[in-house]
Amino acid sequence: QKEVEQNSGPLSVPEGAIASLNCTYSDRVSQSFFWYRQYSGKSPELIMSIYSNGDKEDGRFTAQLNKASQYVSLLIRDSQPSDSATYLCAVNINDYKLSFGAGTTVTVRA
Amino acid sequence: DADVTQTPRNRITKTGKRIMLECSQTKGHDRMYWYRQDPGLGLRLIYYSFDVKDINKGEISDGYSVSRQAQAKFSLSLESAIPNQTALYFCATSDLGASGETQYFGPGTRLLVL
Repeated sequence: QKEVEQNSGPLSVPEGAIASLNCTYSDRVSQSFFWYRQYSGKSPELIMSIYSNGDKEDGRFTAQLNKASQYVSLLIRDSQPSDSATYLCAVNINDYKLSFGAGTTVTVRA
Repeated sequence: DADVTQTPRNRITKTGKRIMLECSQTKGHDRMYWYRQDPGLGLRLIYYSFDVKDINKGEISDGYSVSRQAQAKFSLSLESAIPNQTALYFCATSDLGASGETQYFGPGTRLLVL
């Protein structure tokens, strides 16, 4: 079983819609969770971090964490063409290592 | 100026050649990492270093070596390049905070081994 798994893409959504991305992880003791956005040919950039159960909102992005079910999700509201990218879920496995999912590619249709 | 820089940005080499990828950072972070990224596989950790005297293997270190010349510099070497090392390579830095690990990535080096 992979340490971090993301829902397979690609995900295509119309402009203005909500994009929903899911991620599950295997290590129950993980404490820190991150979403990175990666444009084609570019490096990953951090867009959200979450450490406690529940929701965390930042602008049009909402991260949701459920440690009991071992999943973390990212919602992108009012999706824009500029949101078209690959989104990587990352989980702190221990105090030094981040384990990344394979990524979900999102395309926002104008 | 970028906080994390990588050189070269693109490199084409031949099988059997030794090459070095360099990473420098101005963030003042102690921790540095080398990853490779392949389509469909996400980011995989090659080596990581907590400080100049502390270097550790990641999940896919075979065929690679590293050198931490200073707090700000971390180099990755391919001793004898092979075609399946063709990938996008990223350097990252972090400074472990109270809320855990946040990593910051360089722009990447695209490597093609013929």
